[in-house]
Amino acid sequence: AQSVTQLDSQVPVFEEAPVELRCNYSSSVSVYLFWYVQYPNQGLQLLLKYLSGSTLVESINGFEAEFNKSQTSFHLRKPSVHISDTAEYFCAVSDLNSGYALNFGKGTSLLVTP
Amino acid sequence: DTEVTQTPKHLVMGMTNKKSLKCEQHMGHRAMYWYKQKAKKPPELMFVYSYEKLSINESVPSRFSPECPNSSLLNLHLHALQPEDSALYLCASSQARTSPTEQFFGPGTRLTVL
Repeated sequence: AQSVTQLDSQVPVFEEAPVELRCNYSSSVSVYLFWYVQYPNQGLQLLLKYLSGSTLVESINGFEAEFNKSQTSFHLRKPSVHISDTAEYFCAVSDLNSGYALNFGKGTSLLVTP
Repeated sequence: DTEVTQTPKHLVMGMTNKKSLKCEQHMGHRAMYWYKQKAKKPPELMFVYSYEKLSINESVPSRFSPECPNSSLLNLHLHALQPEDSALYLCASSQARTSPTEQFFGPGTRLTVL
């Protein structure tokens, strides 16, 4: 069975500091990986995705994630965060066995302070 | 147009009321989803429609009744709800249920059951 684990429920960080939000998964088949961001009182927005090809994927607002098959991870990183990055971040996994349904992690709350 | 719209934005209803949530997308997507999200939790899948036919019902109580009138619209009819059904209801769409593509989420309807 497939599963996804976000190891940190909350990550406090100072503005302009680097951040890493961790995501690990388990699956017996090829996986497809996503990071979604949810700002307060809003829906989920796709931040970035790994479907195939380059294992390093980037978003337009400076986030990046690397698919590491040997460590079954898809950690999200940003070298310098802004106050506006404060939000809930969800890692999600899908695979053929799940009918490509999204299986979400429990979420990581990123709090950026001045 | 890469937007999923949902109406209403907020809904307050009593336990004896009947109401409907609406979702619309014009991206030509053939898969549409309803999720329920409680505070500080990830979205939970409720229903999946593929080519306007219900393909997944995640054991949702019958007081929730989905409907897909056409490929662009998705409704969720509500009747005799309980206070514990209060949550953010999210609609999403994707190109197809049979391929590993991202889902696009709407802003959600914040439902309060009194």
